[in-house]
Amino acid sequence: GESVGLHLPTLSVQEGDNSIINCAYSNSASDYFIWYKQESGKGPQFIIDIRSNMDKRQGQRVTVLLNKTVKHLSLQIAATQPGDSAVYFCAENKNDYKLSFGAGTTVTVRA
Amino acid sequence: ETGVTQTPRHLVMGMTNKKSLKCEQHLGHNAMYWYKQSAKKPLELMFVYSLEERVENNSVPSRFSPECPNSSHLFLHLHTLQPEDSALYLCASSQASAGGEYPLHFGNGTRLTVT
Repeated sequence: GESVGLHLPTLSVQEGDNSIINCAYSNSASDYFIWYKQESGKGPQFIIDIRSNMDKRQGQRVTVLLNKTVKHLSLQIAATQPGDSAVYFCAENKNDYKLSFGAGTTVTVRA
Repeated sequence: ETGVTQTPRHLVMGMTNKKSLKCEQHLGHNAMYWYKQSAKKPLELMFVYSLEERVENNSVPSRFSPECPNSSHLFLHLHTLQPEDSALYLCASSQASAGGEYPLHFGNGTRLTVT
């Protein structure tokens, strides 16, 4: 079946470097995508979203890129900080109220 | 503070117990959700309420019973659970829309252990 997935389950990054977290999706009908961050003991926290009529969106230290041709979504975090250590999920929506989540990428920031 | 408050944060219950999870949102949203999060698995949608009507029951066993008395409150009533039901149960809220183009805002969950 169609699903949302992340390329790598773990990512280790040096503090101060930029992080790139990738996500592949297979449903070309998906038109809305969200990135969430989940820290230990907490629920998923909304980071940024993007609609299918855009290919790039920027927030505070974060950028989401959408490549509909290859069905690829990425989250870039600039100047990664220790507080960025968490599990990151991408989610897709297929024009209804149901979000499909990937399994997550665990990001560890090295001091 | 997420704007979505779940209680209790932790719950241990035996298989014959009856308990309830509570969720309250302070964001003015009109759709609420229950998700189950198990280790190494993607979030699983359980129930959706939009404008206080249940619009989704995602093949959830009847030992889980949701209740949405108003747009700010959501409950999950539990009875005769199984050990495999042990998980983190997450409540979320959003603006209701047919197209689903609004993000969900999650609470911090209830960690449930069934013994």
